[in-house]
Amino acid sequence: QSALTQPPSVSGSPGQSVTISCTGTSSDVGRYNRVSWYQQPPGTAPKLIIFGVSDRPSGVPDRFSGSKSGNTASLTISGLQAEDEADYYCGSSASNSAWVFGGGTKLTVL
Amino acid sequence: QVQLVQSGTGVKRPGASVKISCEASGYTFTSYAMHWVRQAPGQRLEWMGWINAGSGHTKYSEKFQGRVTITRDTSASTAYMEVSSLRSEDTAMYYCARDLIPGGYELWGMDYWGQGSLVTVSS
Repeated sequence: QSALTQPPSVSGSPGQSVTISCTGTSSDVGRYNRVSWYQQPPGTAPKLIIFGVSDRPSGVPDRFSGSKSGNTASLTISGLQAEDEADYYCGSSASNSAWVFGGGTKLTVL
Repeated sequence: QVQLVQSGTGVKRPGASVKISCEASGYTFTSYAMHWVRQAPGQRLEWMGWINAGSGHTKYSEKFQGRVTITRDTSASTAYMEVSSLRSEDTAMYYCARDLIPGGYELWGMDYWGQGSLVTVSS
């Protein structure tokens, strides 16, 4: 089970939008609509921000949105705020009842 | 409210084993799967395995198969994860995390996370 592929880093200015991609295979992202995204500020546990490709848990701002096309899922953060600076990870259900995470993306708010 | 409270940090010698506990509260323990995830310093999240807390069925990442054992005690609403034959590369923060959909057989992601247990492997 190889890690899903994410860009190591992305950046944007306050108010702008950024998109983080997450590329898998037909055995994980492409097969299941069970892709989730996690936000992890330094020194803290991850926090779920998107599940089921595009659903948001209660309390997560609608500035965070998710989508999927084929083997690639995407997280878009609009109206960037300084507090969004963190590491972001995607995860997906995979074949044989397994789970796989992405390599992580560091978001810098300029 | 849902809480997952893990056992504390520790230093282990190479070749030793470590067993971490994760006590759940605020929900019906046996209705959800529990994942174990680790994160080495400065590294990515790495999925280790999961347990169906109701049936006890487990599934491990290929990387950890044979070296990791996940169990649970339903009477104590506690999940456990043991890693054997520790080596320096196992130095990491270890997290338990609840799967977000009840049922325990389809994996949807992790909605509640423990605070983490830091394991340092050093001679």
